[in-house]
Amino acid sequence: QVQLVESGGGLVKPGGSLRLSCAASGFTFNDYYMSWIRQAPGQGLEWVSFISSSGNTMYYADSVKGRFTISRDNARKSLYMQMNSLRAEDTAVYYCARAAMVRGIIPVSDCWGQGTLVTVSS
Amino acid sequence: EIVLTQSPATLSLSPGERATLSCRASQSVSDYLAWYQQKPGQPPRLLIYDASNRATGIPARFSGSGSGTDFTLTISSLEPEDIAIYYCQQRSNWPPTFGGGTKVEIK
Repeated sequence: QVQLVESGGGLVKPGGSLRLSCAASGFTFNDYYMSWIRQAPGQGLEWVSFISSSGNTMYYADSVKGRFTISRDNARKSLYMQMNSLRAEDTAVYYCARAAMVRGIIPVSDCWGQGTLVTVSS
Repeated sequence: EIVLTQSPATLSLSPGERATLSCRASQSVSDYLAWYQQKPGQPPRLLIYDASNRATGIPARFSGSGSGTDFTLTISSLEPEDIAIYYCQQRSNWPPTFGGGTKVEIK
């Protein structure tokens, strides 16, 4: 079955950096887009970033553009998010999700990991 | 960006009742609308994609309808395990956006 396991979250000071990882199994990783979606404590969902199946194309929310970098290693079946210049408002659970390009221009996030908590605080 | 407004904010129903959740878009999203279910302490789960297509393994009591700007998620007969927050999401235009959620409670 599809499994996505995030890691790398933790407590970081404002202005600091963190690298999230997501290990995938149970599906052909390099057939799918992948995404990061976050959820601030007690709040709703916010899409953060997509990466194409080849890793050649990336998309970002305006709120993280220029600070976050998504990447993937298809040989290792892993997804990453390098987060720099972190702010208090980046505090959230970060979910890794598989994204299927069924039709249209934006894929559907169809399977999600359990998430990893990032807390930005001094 | 497209704003999705969900109503009601909270829905309290008895087991066996029909639940009707609404999602309204600030502009047309065609049928590029998905519904997710999030139970307490769990990640979201895809229920419906492209307005009316049930995702793999989703029970038949969940159905979606609508197009353009107005969409509905219906739970035909509420089960106790359906207690959750339900989110709609559009993938018609960048960036993809989510509604604020409807919390379904058992009365």
